[in-house]
Formats: sequence, C-alpha cells, structure tokens
Amino acid sequence: QVQVVESGGGVVQPGRSLRLSCAASGFTFSSHNMHWVRQAPGKGLEWVAAIWSDGSNKYYADSVKGRFSISRDNSRNTLYLQMNSLRDEDTAVYYCARERLRDNCIDYWGQGTLVTVSS
Amino acid sequence: DIVMTQSPDSLAVSLGDRATINCKSSQSVLYSSDNKNYLAWYQQKPGQPPKLLFYWASTRESGVPDRFSGSGSGADFTLTISSLQAEDVAVYYCQQYYSTPWTFGQGTKVEIK
Repeated sequence: QVQVVESGGGVVQPGRSLRLSCAASGFTFSSHNMHWVRQAPGKGLEWVAAIWSDGSNKYYADSVKGRFSISRDNSRNTLYLQMNSLRDEDTAVYYCARERLRDNCIDYWGQGTLVTVSS
Repeated sequence: DIVMTQSPDSLAVSLGDRATINCKSSQSVLYSSDNKNYLAWYQQKPGQPPKLLFYWASTRESGVPDRFSGSGSGADFTLTISSLQAEDVAVYYCQQYYSTPWTFGQGTKVEIK
C-alpha cells in the first residue's frame, strides 16, 4: 500500500539547519510530484514546497523561499527538505505528501515529523 | 496568492443534522481549458494527517461516505455533511491547487452539539 514516512525532525536552535527525509513505498515514486506541508501547533495547514516528478521544477511558499530547498532522489524513493536559517515560526509538524497523477490533488500524507525551533 | 476563506470557523451540530461549510477563494479556481475547479476538501482528526475527501470540488474520494458532498464552482464552494455522525468530528480544510503557492483555508472545526 502507499506509504510515505517522514524522518529527521527534532529540536534545533534558531539560525541552525535541519534536513527532513521522506521515504516512499507502495507506488512509483518517480512518477509523482511531491509536496511538503506544515502545521504549526494548534494551527492550520500551510503548503511549504513542491517538486515535479523528475525534479525539474520546484516551488516554494514565500515564507520559506531562499531558506528551504526541496529535492528528491528517485533512485532511493526519497524526498528531502533542507531547512536553513530556521526561525521560531518554522516550528511545526512537517508532512510529506503525494500529488495524485492526472488529478493534481494531494491524496496521501505521511504521519508527519515535528520540528521545534527553540533556543 | 489565492486566499481561501472558510466560514464558519467552527460549528456545533446535533447528531443526524446537516453541517454546511463554505469556502471562498479570492479568485476563480475554475480552469477554463478543462472546465475543472482546482479545489480539494480534507478532513483532519486530532493527531492524524489530513485525509482527502473531495477533489475537483465535487469528486468524492473512494471510501468517503455519501453523506459527504462537495459543490460549487468558480470561487464559491460548499462541503455538506447531510447527517452528522460522531466520527465526523474533525477540522475540515478547503485547498486550491489552481496555482502556486497552493493555499488552504483556515479550517472549520465541526463538533457535536
């Protein structure tokens, strides 16, 4: 069955970096666009970044542009989010999410990994 | 950026009654070339990731009970639960995938009265 499993979250000081990973299985990873979406504690959903299936195009929310970088390794069925210059407001659960072929909506979400930015 | 605004922020409905959630986008999310509304609805229960309910505004995801319905076009959309069940207690989000950045509504919390 379709699975996406995030890892790499933790507590990090402001200004430092962290890299999240998302291991995908149960589907042809290289065919799907992939996304990161985050949710601050007790708050709503915020789309963070997306990458095309072949990695040729990447898109970012203004709130993370220039600080975060999305990438993928289709040979390892893994999605990444490199987060630099972290701020308090980046504290959130980060979800890895799959975009459905043809329908373009997000159809599968991982359980998320918590990133806490705190001194 | 397209701003998605949901109303109400929360609602309490008696078991078996109808629940209606509205979602307005700051611009149309209807793509003229394919006549599709690039609008999805998600349900999120505490401690869980969101679950897809509808895409193209009104296409029900497999396995979603038919008491849920999605409607609307252009910039005005509605999610309706025709007969609220206890397991429907959750936060519901609309989201546009018409253009980047993809944006979500602020969420509507549905509770039992």
